[in-house]
Amino acid sequence: AQTVTQSQPEMSVQEAETVTLSCTYDTSESNYYLFWYKQPPSRQMILVIRQEAYKQQNATENRFSVNFQKAAKSFSLKISDSQLGDTAMYFCAFIGSGAGSYQLTFGKGTKLSVIP
Amino acid sequence: DAGVIQSPRHEVTEMGQEVTLRCKPISGHNSLFWYRQTMMRGLELLIYFNNNVPIDDSGMPEDRFSAKMPNASFSTLKIQPSEPRDSAVYFCASSLADIYNEQFFGPGTRLTVL
Repeated sequence: AQTVTQSQPEMSVQEAETVTLSCTYDTSESNYYLFWYKQPPSRQMILVIRQEAYKQQNATENRFSVNFQKAAKSFSLKISDSQLGDTAMYFCAFIGSGAGSYQLTFGKGTKLSVIP
Repeated sequence: DAGVIQSPRHEVTEMGQEVTLRCKPISGHNSLFWYRQTMMRGLELLIYFNNNVPIDDSGMPEDRFSAKMPNASFSTLKIQPSEPRDSAVYFCASSLADIYNEQFFGPGTRLTVL
């Protein structure tokens, strides 16, 4: 079974600064997908960024980027130029790529507060 | 293009009452998921449908919970009778099996059972 661990329950960052959220996972699969979801106070789950395990290049979406270390099973999220609207819970998630894979396994989340 | 639609957004009911949560997945998606989110347990998968057929209901807590998907555009999650410990946010998500297996979430229903 896969597990996803987010070791930072809460973090804070000054507006315009950079922050990195950590995520580690455990799996025996060789190919899979990793995601970061954002859940603001509105509670809507919003996909921030995705990474395919077989791709060496780290994914980037505007101010959001990941540091994917497959051997270490690490998938951290970096938010640059933090904005007040980035205040939210952030969930790391894993899903396998094999036939019949559908179970999205979530970490417990990191609560990020952006301070003006 | 409308995303996943859930109703109601908020539901307050008394213990013992029947509760029905509704979900409309994104048109064309063939997979539908019901999740429950609580502070203690985080996000839990309750049930997964593929092409309207329940594939995995191992996450359904007990017989008080049931889910149906009568067609590709509608699903319900019913709790009967409801209990205070069922209070949570219930999410519906849908996906189209592709290389990303990305799931799109609805806005959730906040259920409070008094």
